[in-house]
Amino acid sequence: NAGVTQTPKFRVLKTGQSMTLLCAQDMNHEYMYWYRQDPGMGLRLIHYSVGEGTTAKGEVPDGYNVSRLKKQNFLLGLESAAPSQTSVYFCASVLSLGDGELFFGEGSRLTVL
Amino acid sequence: GENVEQHPSTLSVQEGDSAVIKCTYSDSASNYFPWYKQELGKRPQLIIDIRSNVGEKKDQRIAVTLNKTAKHFSLHITETQPEDSAVYFCAARTGYALNFGKGTSLLVTP
Repeated sequence: NAGVTQTPKFRVLKTGQSMTLLCAQDMNHEYMYWYRQDPGMGLRLIHYSVGEGTTAKGEVPDGYNVSRLKKQNFLLGLESAAPSQTSVYFCASVLSLGDGELFFGEGSRLTVL
Repeated sequence: GENVEQHPSTLSVQEGDSAVIKCTYSDSASNYFPWYKQELGKRPQLIIDIRSNVGEKKDQRIAVTLNKTAKHFSLHITETQPEDSAVYFCAARTGYALNFGKGTSLLVTP
């Protein structure tokens, strides 16, 4: 089991460029989440999915879009990157709400110039 | 939405002392309260969790207490060791979402 895998791990973008972060999990987890982590701000929820084909907004969804076409993959897109989106992005998944433990990927560090 | 407040933001203790981190939450419907440890440059990892029908849970040197009436929960680390140095996050779940506090940077000095 690879667990939760994020690609890419590092990326530098120019303002206005677009990109997609891929999260893949091989644990057959139902729920998947995208968080961003900024110094002193903790982990803030961007979007989440409660199953294949579903997505929902979290605390800070503006400027991001997501898709969950396959159960194992959760994509985070930036259509027009802004410097304020410079952050470390973590994907996470959990089997069920009753199961509790959220498994995190290794993180993707994105810099927008 | 759920608001999770965490204190202190930084904590420095000597090896062998105890460390306590406190969190409050706003939504009385929250029913699951995990604590995560994040070492520098690594991913957050679960160290202990508690559900709303339990008041206290212990795992070796780590314990968590929950006061549902006051809507606060705490992490207690006893006999701290240098390898306990990390950032600790509390979280509260309401519905499908897990909302995190801003973190406590714990430094254990030998």
